[in-house]
Amino acid sequence: GENVEQHPSTLSVQEGDSAVIKCTYSDSASNYFPWYKQELGKRPQLIIDIRSNVGEKKDQRIAVTLNKTAKHFSLHITETQPEDSAVYFCAARKAAGNKLTFGGGTRVLVKP
Amino acid sequence: NAGVTQTPKFRVLKTGQSMTLLCAQDMNHEYMYWYRQDPGMGLRLIHYSVGEGTTAKGEVPDGYNVSRLKKQNFLLGLESAAPSQTSVYFCASSDPGGSSYNEQFFGPGTRLTVL
Repeated sequence: GENVEQHPSTLSVQEGDSAVIKCTYSDSASNYFPWYKQELGKRPQLIIDIRSNVGEKKDQRIAVTLNKTAKHFSLHITETQPEDSAVYFCAARKAAGNKLTFGGGTRVLVKP
Repeated sequence: NAGVTQTPKFRVLKTGQSMTLLCAQDMNHEYMYWYRQDPGMGLRLIHYSVGEGTTAKGEVPDGYNVSRLKKQNFLLGLESAAPSQTSVYFCASSDPGGSSYNEQFFGPGTRLTVL
């Protein structure tokens, strides 16, 4: 089955700096890669996603890049703010059943 | 429009007891999922359903059963709870034919402790 590894497990940045989280996946048949943000005690919520036919996608301060050859994708957060503090999960999906395999999560702390 | 809801929010069980977690969605989604979340391990898929009357095993199905008798509901059962099933359980749903067909929408979670 699919295996998704996520690094780092924790990330501390100064407000205004950038944060980068990296994920690798094992199954070349995966075609969809979402990123979820989970605040403490809350449900995961989708913040950005990318499909395998796209190399990069941006939405305001967040962007995701995908390298299909190397089977890795990354989340970039620029100009970080305290409200960006949360746990971020990457995931990979194959077409059948829309099943997601999640990475282990990255706890991001933005220090004011 | 409540989205995805879960009942109960919290529960404490003794080893060997049984219980059912209820997930309901009002978005008319075809697909529904049950995950468990443990510290440092992300979300792991327990069981899922691609339509009313269908269920399938996910990554960690042992010790759990599910039923999808109605499209809007997905039930997760623990027949004989074990301490290893202490976790936060999330339900999710998605619509393969909708405008956001990839997105999975999550419920608020159920925190289960097995003593």
